[in-house]
Amino acid sequence: DADVTQTPRNRITKTGKRIMLECSQTKGHDRMYWYRQDPGLGLRLIYYSFDVKDINKGEISDGYSVSRQAQAKFSLSLESAIPNQTALYFCATSDLRPGLNTDTQYFGPGTRLTVL
Amino acid sequence: GDSVTQMEGPVTLSEEAFLTINCTYTATGYPSLFWYVQYPGEGLQLLLKATKADDKGSNKGFEATYRKETTSFHLEKGSVQVSDSAVYFCALSPGGGDYKLSFGAGTTVTVRA
Repeated sequence: DADVTQTPRNRITKTGKRIMLECSQTKGHDRMYWYRQDPGLGLRLIYYSFDVKDINKGEISDGYSVSRQAQAKFSLSLESAIPNQTALYFCATSDLRPGLNTDTQYFGPGTRLTVL
Repeated sequence: GDSVTQMEGPVTLSEEAFLTINCTYTATGYPSLFWYVQYPGEGLQLLLKATKADDKGSNKGFEATYRKETTSFHLEKGSVQVSDSAVYFCALSPGGGDYKLSFGAGTTVTVRA
């Protein structure tokens, strides 16, 4: 089984709809991240969380919100989707414990979101 | 702020050709440097990394050396295979307790048989 899973894998929605993307991990990592990938722009950080009570905005958080329901779960919401939020979204995790590759992130398979 | 610039693609090669993808960075401290690879339809996975100047990361025949004097971390492979077709991302982590990654735009590599 994959260590980092994302649901759904594909989603098509309409402008103005509320959408939630979910991420679960079995790696036991404390840190979790949400990125979006756009052609020619690489990956850009939306939100990150270093533990259940810690949520931080990344470089492109406008229009998004997150919820860290448990150590293993980190959800991304689009309150009112718009077409320029069409992108590939990735969840990632990393380990907090010193000496255990704390700077390495592990990615889920991605969610392809299309907003019409 | 910290940033990464990598060569634009796409890059198309024949099998057994030499591959190099240039990556340069801007950072104020002592970052760790990474190459991630994204195979078609998959998420990113770590290919190799280097955490200090002059370190060489290597994996699956790929190599990259952390060059502080030229602020570079170029990726190389001596003989590519069709299975190396993927998108390659250079990235940095600032260090000093900041674990966020900054990514380059990605370089699409296609290897033809």
